[in-house]
Amino acid sequence: EPEVTQTPSHQVTQMGQEVILRCVPISNHLYFYWYRQILGQKVEFLVSFYNNEISEKSEIFDDQFSVERPDGSNFTLKIRSTKLEDSAMYFCASRSQLSYEQYFGPGTRLTVT
Amino acid sequence: GQQLNQSPQSMFIQEGEDVSMNCTSSSIFNTWLWYKQDPGEGPVLLIALYKAGELTSNGRLTAQFGITRKDSFLNISASIPSDVGIYFCAGQQIIGNEKLTFGTGTRLTIIP
Repeated sequence: EPEVTQTPSHQVTQMGQEVILRCVPISNHLYFYWYRQILGQKVEFLVSFYNNEISEKSEIFDDQFSVERPDGSNFTLKIRSTKLEDSAMYFCASRSQLSYEQYFGPGTRLTVT
Repeated sequence: GQQLNQSPQSMFIQEGEDVSMNCTSSSIFNTWLWYKQDPGEGPVLLIALYKAGELTSNGRLTAQFGITRKDSFLNISASIPSDVGIYFCAGQQIIGNEKLTFGTGTRLTIIP
């Protein structure tokens, strides 16, 4: 069964460094999302992306964040200058045109020290 | 912002028991989704609901879309050890708003 994949599974970085989290959505899906989950808390929406542009973003998704679909398969989240409070699990999700069901990847655990 | 409150926060049950949990909101949602999350993993979609009053089953799971569009319910019958995890509801307002708003979660533990 097709699934969303994410790399790396765990990323440790120093405060102020740039990180890029990578996702490969399900192949025929056209809508892509990033969410994050701080340890022990609920999942929070960051951004949605369709047709090579951001369709919606949350207050969390400030100027330090950006997303890109650099080719036909990858979808990336970049954090330019990481802060301690960016430490969280980051989940990529995708859906097809035919359904509103979003399918999540296994996540990348980002630890900022 | 929109808040989805789930209850109970946690449940301790014995294997074989039935489970009920719910999700309530002050806002109307047009789609309700239920996810299960195991530790260190991503949410896995269990059931999706699209119409007020809809009742949908997936194996031992049954979910309902509340008639007011402000709540949803999930039942698990005859629980088994692999049902352990955190269950999240998520609401979606389709028109101009694709994001999923997640609930606070219900942690299910099965007592041996």
